[in-house]
Amino acid sequence: AQTVTQSQPEMSVQEAETVTLSCTYDTSESDYYLFWYKQPPSRQMILVIRQEAYKQQNATENRFSVNFQKAAKSFSLKISDSQLGDAAMYFCAYRSWNNDMRFGAGTRLTVKP
Amino acid sequence: NAGVTQTPKFQVLKTGQSMTLQCAQDMNHEYMSWYRQDPGMGLRLIHYSVGAGITDQGEVPNGYNVSRSTTEDFPLRLLSAAPSQTSVYFCASSYRGGQKNIQYFGAGTRLSVL
Repeated sequence: AQTVTQSQPEMSVQEAETVTLSCTYDTSESDYYLFWYKQPPSRQMILVIRQEAYKQQNATENRFSVNFQKAAKSFSLKISDSQLGDAAMYFCAYRSWNNDMRFGAGTRLTVKP
Repeated sequence: NAGVTQTPKFQVLKTGQSMTLQCAQDMNHEYMSWYRQDPGMGLRLIHYSVGAGITDQGEVPNGYNVSRSTTEDFPLRLLSAAPSQTSVYFCASSYRGGQKNIQYFGAGTRLSVL
């Protein structure tokens, strides 16, 4: 079964600075999808960004971008110009071709004013 | 524009009681799933369904039952609740595959089993 590892339980960033959250995964599949979800204190799971494994180009969504290294099985999230509203738990997730989905344990991001 | 609706939001059970967590979606998604989230852990897949009449087990299925009689609804049943099932439960839905397979989550149900 696929596993997703987030090695940083907590991260901190100064407002307006840039922070990178790490994620690695283990799989033998060639076709899959990767996601970053944000979970604020409200508990709502909010999609931040998505990457298709067959695409070499890294996905970007406004201030959020990923560094997808397929051979290294690495999928990091970069948040630029951090804002107070970015403070939350961030989960990396892997979705298999058969829709099986696995999440990492999460990284708690604190944004300091 | 309801999306994915979970009820109840909170529930307290005694050990051995049974209950059903409800999940409904109005986006005509084929795929629906249930997760549990425990402190310090990510979401873990309990059961999922790729369409009406079709269900399958996820990573942690023991102690839970599901059925999918309609596209819209995917209830999760606890037959005999145990303290180990104290958790936050999330329901999610999406299209089955391709570029539309983004999962949309409900607001969660916090369950305590005493």
